[in-house]
Amino acid sequence: TQLLEQSPQFLSIQEGENLTVYCNSSSVFSSLQWYRQEPGEGPVLLVTVVTGGEVKKLKRLTFQFGDARKDSSLHITAAQPGDTGLYLCAGGTGGTSYGKLTFGQGTILTVHP
Amino acid sequence: DADVTQTPRNRITKTGKRIMLECSQTKGHDRMYWYRQDPGLGLRLIYYSFDVKDINKGEISDGYSVSRQAQAKFSLSLESAIPNQTALYFCATSDPASGSLYNEQFFGPGTRLTVL
Repeated sequence: TQLLEQSPQFLSIQEGENLTVYCNSSSVFSSLQWYRQEPGEGPVLLVTVVTGGEVKKLKRLTFQFGDARKDSSLHITAAQPGDTGLYLCAGGTGGTSYGKLTFGQGTILTVHP
Repeated sequence: DADVTQTPRNRITKTGKRIMLECSQTKGHDRMYWYRQDPGLGLRLIYYSFDVKDINKGEISDGYSVSRQAQAKFSLSLESAIPNQTALYFCATSDPASGSLYNEQFFGPGTRLTVL
């Protein structure tokens, strides 16, 4: 069974601070996706990374895929209250798990004004 | 209009009752999924379907069943609801042929189910 461990589970910070969320596994993934979920809504895709060592930037958010494709991180610079939400990482693989995603437990981020 | 819709959005029911949650999509995607979300556990896959004639169990299918009535409709049933099935339920779609090359998923707004 493939597992994705996210840390921290909870993060409460002040506006303007930087933060990093980690997503780790002992398994190799062919792709790693990050989603953001707001209360009362479903998760929304932020980014997909597929190459070991890949870095993608989305405004103040920076996503990195580990060289061995077993881990990923999400870094937010100068967090704003609008960044508040649940962040989920999800890994995709081939073989018998083709077409399915394995989700991490999620990180609840609260950014205080 | 939302691409993936779920009904009902909220449901309170009693132990032993049969419940059906419905999902419809206008994205034209072939693949549809049902997940449940519990605090601290992320999203866990219940069932998934790659087309109308294809139904597969996920990691937590016990106590649940599904029906793929059409490409656009995928229903989840709880034959005899129990309190530990209280959770948020999400439907999702994907389709590599339509651009979600790595099975990126598009979620509905969720159904909050409470079993008393």
